Amino acid sequence: ETGVTQTPRHLVMGMTNKKSLKCEQHLGHNAMYWYKQSAKKPLELMFVYSLEERVENNSVPSRFSPECPNSSHLFLHLHTLQPEDSALYLCASSQVGGFDEQYFGPGTRLTVT
Amino acid sequence: GENVEQHPSTLSVQEGDSAVIKCTYSDSASNYFPWYKQELGKRPQLIIDIRSNVGEKKDQRIAVTLNKTAKHFSLHITETQPEDSAVYFCAASRGTSYDKVIFGPGTSLSVIP
Repeated sequence: ETGVTQTPRHLVMGMTNKKSLKCEQHLGHNAMYWYKQSAKKPLELMFVYSLEERVENNSVPSRFSPECPNSSHLFLHLHTLQPEDSALYLCASSQVGGFDEQYFGPGTRLTVT
Repeated sequence: GENVEQHPSTLSVQEGDSAVIKCTYSDSASNYFPWYKQELGKRPQLIIDIRSNVGEKKDQRIAVTLNKTAKHFSLHITETQPEDSAVYFCAASRGTSYDKVIFGPGTSLSVIP
């Protein structure tokens, strides 16, 4: 598959569960991003990995834990989430160097019950 | 911190009319301004972008203008069609070694046939 893929596409979890979101990019990019998209809110940048190193962490609660084992894969580990964490989680990738399009994945629709 | 404002939040136009969406940004070091379109249930996709060394850019029915002095930029869609209906996000970034892109809250555009 080409572009940026995300699994699962939908996830329902209880507040005591532990789950992981997966993102894979097939574009040869070397920067990857996690965004949170809630209703009536802008796209919120959560984490940025550039050349496999985390370079940005926008004060995200510790119940979200990212992992970037290589330039093609990005994970978001979730534990003890809150109902307000329910949102669409989008992964994106781009080529380091600026002025380049961010390619988004289809997102994971997360519902915390 | 950096902020991008976007107006209007919703916009309805008749098919064939023009649509204009306006954004302002706070970070004077921003020099790259992409626009993303997100159709219902789909991922955001880049439709046009502009760099700070130009004041206007056009691609068929869409155009973007930039006023760096006033720190605002606009998206213009002419001869709107029903398939233009979507949420449009403006964004700003410094175009640094990784793309920390700050998104506006989005404009929901409806084109009425």
